[in-house]
Amino acid sequence: ETGVTQTPRHLVMGMTNKKSLKCEQHLGHNAMYWYKQSAKKPLELMFVYSLEERVENNSVPSRFSPECPNSSHLFLHLHTLQPEDSALYLCASSQVLAGGYEQFFGPGTRLTVL
Amino acid sequence: SQQGEEDPQALSIQEGENATMNCSYKTSINNLQWYRQNSGRGLVHLILIRSNEREKHSGRLRVTLDTSKKSSSLLITASRAADTASYFCATDARQAGTALIFGKGTTLSVSS
Repeated sequence: ETGVTQTPRHLVMGMTNKKSLKCEQHLGHNAMYWYKQSAKKPLELMFVYSLEERVENNSVPSRFSPECPNSSHLFLHLHTLQPEDSALYLCASSQVLAGGYEQFFGPGTRLTVL
Repeated sequence: SQQGEEDPQALSIQEGENATMNCSYKTSINNLQWYRQNSGRGLVHLILIRSNEREKHSGRLRVTLDTSKKSSSLLITASRAADTASYFCATDARQAGTALIFGKGTTLSVSS
């Protein structure tokens, strides 16, 4: 888990707050991802950045705003969230190669929206 | 859209027994991966099997892939209490893929 770090590990926020989740990878990878994991649901892919360009946005509400300033850092900016946004938010990175690859995950941020 | 679907949803066994989890998927894939997640933590990659492979081993793990049935199985032999976790299959259906699609997972409980 030390290859990909996430801060904070726990976050409680009100619906009117603005907060940011941070992810940092120390593996030299060229792709980074945000996933949302809710209870009893499959892991949901939110955003993909490859070579610092956003290549995928899976119909995520605009109250979630990603930012990838360089290949090692990924942020998820949060504003005016809803209680149903409470979940574990996981960051992952990979080295994209044709023919398959593995993703390395951070420990996640447990978000509670009141 | 959900690609992989694991079966069973939950599995309880005794230490020393073998645990088998299955994954079914819908579309053609380049590879299939299995991940493990301890409660409330990040996922850890276990094994990757490519579409032209039928079986792969890694320590106590054995993965099979049947592309004609669009299914895969993960076998953990001689299970230990430390194997207690959720196990997910993930598929990559893209040509030079970036994103993986995960199933809901199988929750394995190994009691000593």
